[in-house]
Amino acid sequence: AQKVTQAQTEISVVEKEDVTLDCVYETRDTTYYLFWYKQPPSGELVFLIRRNSFDEQNEISGRYSWNFQKSTSSFNFTITASQVVDSAVYFCALNSGTYKYIFGTGTRLKVLA
Amino acid sequence: GAVVSQHPSWVICKSGTSVKIECRSLDFQATTMFWYRQFPKQSLMLMATSNEGSKATYEQGVEKDKFLINHASLTLSTLTVTSAHPEDSSFYICSAPGLFDTQYFGPGTRLTVL
Repeated sequence: AQKVTQAQTEISVVEKEDVTLDCVYETRDTTYYLFWYKQPPSGELVFLIRRNSFDEQNEISGRYSWNFQKSTSSFNFTITASQVVDSAVYFCALNSGTYKYIFGTGTRLKVLA
Repeated sequence: GAVVSQHPSWVICKSGTSVKIECRSLDFQATTMFWYRQFPKQSLMLMATSNEGSKATYEQGVEKDKFLINHASLTLSTLTVTSAHPEDSSFYICSAPGLFDTQYFGPGTRLTVL
């Protein structure tokens, strides 16, 4: 069975703090894709990153960075120097090539000014 | 980039009425589209896969007679919530597949059934 676990339901940080959102996944497939999406209060999902199972290279995009570790089945997301505009719900998702996304339960991030 | 639109963005209806939600791919064709439901403060759950020219595929536990899906063309899929009840109030999101197993999500439709 496939599963995505985001154990952190809600995180509050003060602006400029770094914050890491955890994502642990389960799958028996050898080929799969992992995603992170941001959902601001408007509800629209914003694509952040896609990573395939053969690419364990960490990625940095501005203040965002992702740490993919197959050994621990984790795909964690770090925001450096958080800003109020980062406040949103963040979803981690797993896909094994069937277009069916398995979403985690989401982590609500609150960045306080 | 690819854009998926939904209409309406929000709708309020009385219990017992039917509501139709449209999902359109604006600059690309989609033989397959997906419908998700998100209850407040919960995750997105796939309801069904909409297939152009054939019947939709529903996930386990989703009533196909209640949630009618029609994929009328390569750019349009509709979800009709029939005889809506307050428990159907939710955020409905559609998506269409892109390259490399990426999905393009619509902005969502917030349904409130009184």
